Amino acid sequence: DAKTTQPNSMESNEEEPVHLPCNHSTISGTDYIHWYRQLPSQGPEYVIHGLTSNVNNRMASLAIAEDRKSSTLILHRATLRDAAVYYCILRPRGSNYKLTFGKGTLLTVNP
Amino acid sequence: GAVVSQHPSWVICKSGTSVKIECRSLDFQATTMFWYRQFPKQSLMLMATSNEGSKATYEQGVEKDKFLINHASLTLSTLTVTSAHPEDSSFYICSARTGSGNEKLFFGSGTQLSVL
Repeated sequence: DAKTTQPNSMESNEEEPVHLPCNHSTISGTDYIHWYRQLPSQGPEYVIHGLTSNVNNRMASLAIAEDRKSSTLILHRATLRDAAVYYCILRPRGSNYKLTFGKGTLLTVNP
Repeated sequence: GAVVSQHPSWVICKSGTSVKIECRSLDFQATTMFWYRQFPKQSLMLMATSNEGSKATYEQGVEKDKFLINHASLTLSTLTVTSAHPEDSSFYICSARTGSGNEKLFFGSGTQLSVL
């Protein structure tokens, strides 16, 4: 499986934007870039995904580098409820896939 | 959005007993479900993949006779930890996807198992 590299932890202040980086230099041309997050003592939840173009949804934005070897998850205004572990995962194209989680980035949001 | 219900949310049992964890997709049919295990301050580790009506596929190093998985219907998968021991204490999480090539997984809220 193609691997991703994320910082172990990041810190942000409430109401400020947060940029969570992810490196995936061995990404293949058919891999989707997925982001999930896990709040304390809960199962992960889907945040966003993309292939080549930048993506926006109600939770976040995903900026994908032109060479696709890195991406950045953007939380436009961090809230205390955004404190979680954020996982960047490469998902092979096709319906028969499984997700393998790395260590993720622990985001701390300061009030 | 789609909901995956996992039950129980926590369970305490004596060493040597078996524990069953249920995972239900409430508003969609899940052709494939996944079971993960997570130890404190670690990431999720995939244990097995189960497809409705067929045997589960276990990841390397996961004992299939110890972690019995049943996926008898399109909305229910169960994980039974047989003859549980303290080292089996962990946070178990299920997830599901539909068979329509849906892009994302839906996760249950997890089950904290403590074996005394």
